[in-house]
Amino acid sequence: QQQVKQSPQSLIVQKGGISIINCAYENTAFDYFPWYQQFPGKGPALLIAIRPDVSEKKEGRFTISFNKSAKQFSLHIMDSQPGDSATYFCAASIWGNTDKLIFGTGTRLQVFP
Amino acid sequence: GAGVSQSPRYKVAKRGQDVALRCDPISGHVSLFWYQQALGQGPEFLTYFQNEAQLDKSGLPSDRFFAERPEGSVSTLKIQRTQQEDSAVYLCASSQYPATNEKLFFGSGTQLSVL
Repeated sequence: QQQVKQSPQSLIVQKGGISIINCAYENTAFDYFPWYQQFPGKGPALLIAIRPDVSEKKEGRFTISFNKSAKQFSLHIMDSQPGDSATYFCAASIWGNTDKLIFGTGTRLQVFP
Repeated sequence: GAGVSQSPRYKVAKRGQDVALRCDPISGHVSLFWYQQALGQGPEFLTYFQNEAQLDKSGLPSDRFFAERPEGSVSTLKIQRTQQEDSAVYLCASSQYPATNEKLFFGSGTQLSVL
């Protein structure tokens, strides 16, 4: 019930391409879905987040697509750059609750020039 | 400083030793979280403070783990009688908002290695 499943585990994309990372959840009480970016030796940094009342949110080159009926959400990185090479984590929680963020297992993205 | 500061950056302990990990959250931030990140995994929740009150400690893996935030700012995570399975990066995160995971700022973590 608390698990968030993330795929793929690793992703290699050419510069300028689109990177797509997918997550699925089971707990229908989740209503806050953030994506975090983590560089080696650093803590995760909030990239973009969505609530289930919208199906898509875009911030610059980053877009979250959300499918409430399928209990799935995804991160799209347009025009991927070598500087985007990092590990990306999806997460879910119940907003307005002290309940914890449940993180996915992470996707290591490598963008080659 | 401008961000969440954690110290030490690295800690090596012999099995059975006690360790203390420090977190300095962003000034004025009400919420403070501790997470444990095993190698190659996502962070896992340990405990949550709102000001000095520890409102959720359901993620602490055993009674060897103890956290405090006595004055509502700096927090310390203490692990007694460390075991090899305690080896991980311990992340601290803070938010200006109470009772929410929204807009968390994470520190760079303390990497604990138990030999």
